[in-house]
Amino acid sequence: GEDVEQSLFLSVREGDSSVINCTYTDSSSTYLYWYKQEPGAGLQLLTYIFSNMDMKQDQRLTVLLNKKDKHLSLRIADTQTGDSAIYFCAERRGSTLGRLYFGRGTQLTVWP
Amino acid sequence: DTGVSQDPRHKITKRGQNVTFRCDPISEHNRLYWYRQTLGQGPEFLTYFQNEAQLEKSRLLSDRFSAERPKGSFSTLEIQRTEQGDSAMYLCASSSYGQGDNSPLHFGNGTRLTVT
Repeated sequence: GEDVEQSLFLSVREGDSSVINCTYTDSSSTYLYWYKQEPGAGLQLLTYIFSNMDMKQDQRLTVLLNKKDKHLSLRIADTQTGDSAIYFCAERRGSTLGRLYFGRGTQLTVWP
Repeated sequence: DTGVSQDPRHKITKRGQNVTFRCDPISEHNRLYWYRQTLGQGPEFLTYFQNEAQLEKSRLLSDRFSAERPKGSFSTLEIQRTEQGDSAMYLCASSSYGQGDNSPLHFGNGTRLTVT
């Protein structure tokens, strides 16, 4: 398909791990990104991964990339209530360098 | 903190009126982007500049929309003859194009437009 796809909702208990999944569209995409958006705010860059990497870890965040399946995931360890937000996956396609293409976002709700 | 700044944060206007939004990018960034976000959707690309040159425009950017970046610093987005369908959050982002095209986009907090 033409769209970056994400599941819309995820609920977890505080202290558990969260895994947010994304399927992107272009096998020649160079970079894949994860952004976080809190209510009424803009997008905050969380992390990104270059397409020649399989994994990237940054403190509580782990990004896994499966290029064969065009699948990207974001794992948040020890999820906190402050992690409740919408998480967007985005790709930088090889054919249209410059812009990013975003998914619809996954609403993460963390219960105490 | 010298992040991306957008003004105003909120704008309410009547259908048919013109509106203009301003974006000040991170000072050393030479690329500037405009996106639109409606409720429940991800950001949709509108246009982007490298320095003062407008390099790409989306099909979403109808004749009523115009963006400028006259001196390669701040940018304005104008919507003429607003329609209710223009109601959305308008997001500005900037990045630094150096070696390659891998610089991530840094977003402002957006301008929320409501057309009544």
